[in-house]
Amino acid sequence: EAGVAQSPRYKIIEKRQSVAFWCNPISGHATLYWYQQILGQGPKLLIQFQNNGVVDDSQLPKDRFSAERLKGVDSTLKIQPAKLEDSAVYLCASSYRTGEVSPLHFGNGTRLTVT
Amino acid sequence: AQSVSQHNHHVILSEAASLELGCNYSYGGTVNLFWYVQYPGQHLQLLLKYFSGDPLVKGIKGFEAEFIKSKFSFNLRKPSVQWSDTAEYFCAVNTGTASKLTFGTGTRLQVTL
Repeated sequence: EAGVAQSPRYKIIEKRQSVAFWCNPISGHATLYWYQQILGQGPKLLIQFQNNGVVDDSQLPKDRFSAERLKGVDSTLKIQPAKLEDSAVYLCASSYRTGEVSPLHFGNGTRLTVT
Repeated sequence: AQSVSQHNHHVILSEAASLELGCNYSYGGTVNLFWYVQYPGQHLQLLLKYFSGDPLVKGIKGFEAEFIKSKFSFNLRKPSVQWSDTAEYFCAVNTGTASKLTFGTGTRLQVTL
């Protein structure tokens, strides 16, 4: 099966600029996640969707980050305006359904550098 | 909220050496435990998982992990590492109510020839 697709792979922007990342999950996977992985740390969940509804966005900095999954398939994550501390790898993952028996499948991530 | 600790940040081993990576979590209830691996230039992928039953679970590539509930631990082991095991290893936990995974900070394993 095709994996989780993410684009772009790399992005360099200046602080205060905006940026958007795209994710296409594995076909048939209802649950989609965005994680932020800062260098030297483990991935941290930003937002979780079940189909096109938000399940958990408690760790999403809503003053600058937004995400949508309008048709319950692909998703975009936006940062506006970016700060230096947003430099990280942004990982998208999907799972068949929400629940403890559904391991996550990860994409390759987008490496964001904010200068 | 649950948390995960991986105390070994960087481990260097020679080929054929035995491996044990520590993972401890903090949560008093039922947990599901995972080890993910990230090979250089590749995406995170599942190595093994524990949901219930036999506390000794076997994963891909000869890895295994043991869940010790009394110690809140889920250590990863491999009897004989190979150069191709060079990667970063992440322990993760969720509490069963949703697939929200909490990851540890990861352990970078370097296997030398």
